[in-house]
Amino acid sequence: EAGVAQSPRYKIIEKRQSVAFWCNPISGHATLYWYQQILGQGPKLLIQFQNNGVVDDSQLPKDRFSAERLKGVDSTLKIQPAKLEDSAVYLCASSPTSHQPQHFGDGTRLSIL
Amino acid sequence: GDSVTQMEGPVTLSEEAFLTINCTYTATGYPSLFWYVQYPGEGLQLLLKATKADDKGSNKGFEATYRKETTSFHLEKGSVQVSDSAVYFCALSDRGSQGNLIFGKGTKLSVKP
Repeated sequence: EAGVAQSPRYKIIEKRQSVAFWCNPISGHATLYWYQQILGQGPKLLIQFQNNGVVDDSQLPKDRFSAERLKGVDSTLKIQPAKLEDSAVYLCASSPTSHQPQHFGDGTRLSIL
Repeated sequence: GDSVTQMEGPVTLSEEAFLTINCTYTATGYPSLFWYVQYPGEGLQLLLKATKADDKGSNKGFEATYRKETTSFHLEKGSVQVSDSAVYFCALSDRGSQGNLIFGKGTKLSVKP
């Protein structure tokens, strides 16, 4: 089966600019996650979707981050405006349901200048 | 809140050496425990898991046993290979949560020929 697809792989922007990441989960997976992985740390959950509904966004900095999964399939994560501390790898993961093992994409590495 | 602590890296071993990476956790409930592996430039891959006390997860020669009495889930392999060089993450998922993962900081393993 095809894995979780993410794009772009790399993105370099200046602070205060906007950026968007895209994720296409494994077909049939109802649950989709976005994680932020800062260099030298483990991934931290930003937001979790069940189909097209948000299950947990308690750690999402809502003043600058937004995410959507309108049709319950692919998802976009946006940062507007970006700050230096947003430099990280953004990982998307999916699972058939919320308590089954998660499958991760290769991530988008974001650098803020 | 729930948390995962794993040994600091990097860990450097010679090929065929024995590997132990320590992981302990704090959780209010009865979590499921996981080890994920991240190869350079790639996303995380599930290595093994255990869902209840005394369960042993195993895969590709790696093993870890869920020890409730010591709140530990140490990763072991009897004979490492150069291809095992990667970053290893211990993680938990609390049954009371929506399945999201809480990760340790990761331990980088380098295996020399």
